[in-house]
Amino acid sequence: TQLLEQSPQFLSIQEGENLTVYCNSSSVFSSLQWYRQEPGEGPVLLVTVVTGGEVKKLKRLTFQFGDARKDSSLHITAAQPGDTGLYLCAGPKGNDMRFGAGTRLTVKP
Amino acid sequence: SQTIHQWPATLVQPVGSPLSLECTVEGTSNPNLYWYRQAAGRGLQLLFYSVGIGQISSEVPQNLSASRPQDRQFILSSKKLLLSDSGFYLCAWSHSLRQPQHFGDGTRLSIL
Repeated sequence: TQLLEQSPQFLSIQEGENLTVYCNSSSVFSSLQWYRQEPGEGPVLLVTVVTGGEVKKLKRLTFQFGDARKDSSLHITAAQPGDTGLYLCAGPKGNDMRFGAGTRLTVKP
Repeated sequence: SQTIHQWPATLVQPVGSPLSLECTVEGTSNPNLYWYRQAAGRGLQLLFYSVGIGQISSEVPQNLSASRPQDRQFILSSKKLLLSDSGFYLCAWSHSLRQPQHFGDGTRLSIL
């Protein structure tokens, strides 16, 4: 089993819709990162959340870190085709950075 | 600013042939370096990481090896490729083991 469970695994929506994807764990993390990966490219860091309950906004993307620092969510408002990609969450554990399996988002025009 | 270069972008190799993938980082000193493999539609599997020249930690027993001959150079190798070595290989760097990582554009490796 993954230390970080991401849901849903796949999500296909129409342009203009809102969506939320989740990253959950039974373990506490000192921080969590969100990355977006487009086909044929490496993941690109979007944000790091550090404080329990923290909310960060990046244009139409809103990231929240759970109060207990075991989970995080990513909400996208008015999704656009350019938001299409694999969204990965990751967090440090021991000497490793652990990655979830990702949510593959497709936004149809 | 820091940049990471990974090559080649795509590679097609026959079973049993050797492999050498190279990754270099610019604009920072003594970075932590990582090699990952990503299966189609799946998350990242950490293969190797390095905290300094000549220091390699292996996460998964396999047909691959890694070397760090210079501070900002990380090489992934194999003496004899297997069909199961096919995949998307990513190199990454970070300031420390617990800091966010920055990825190269990956190498798509196909074994025939």
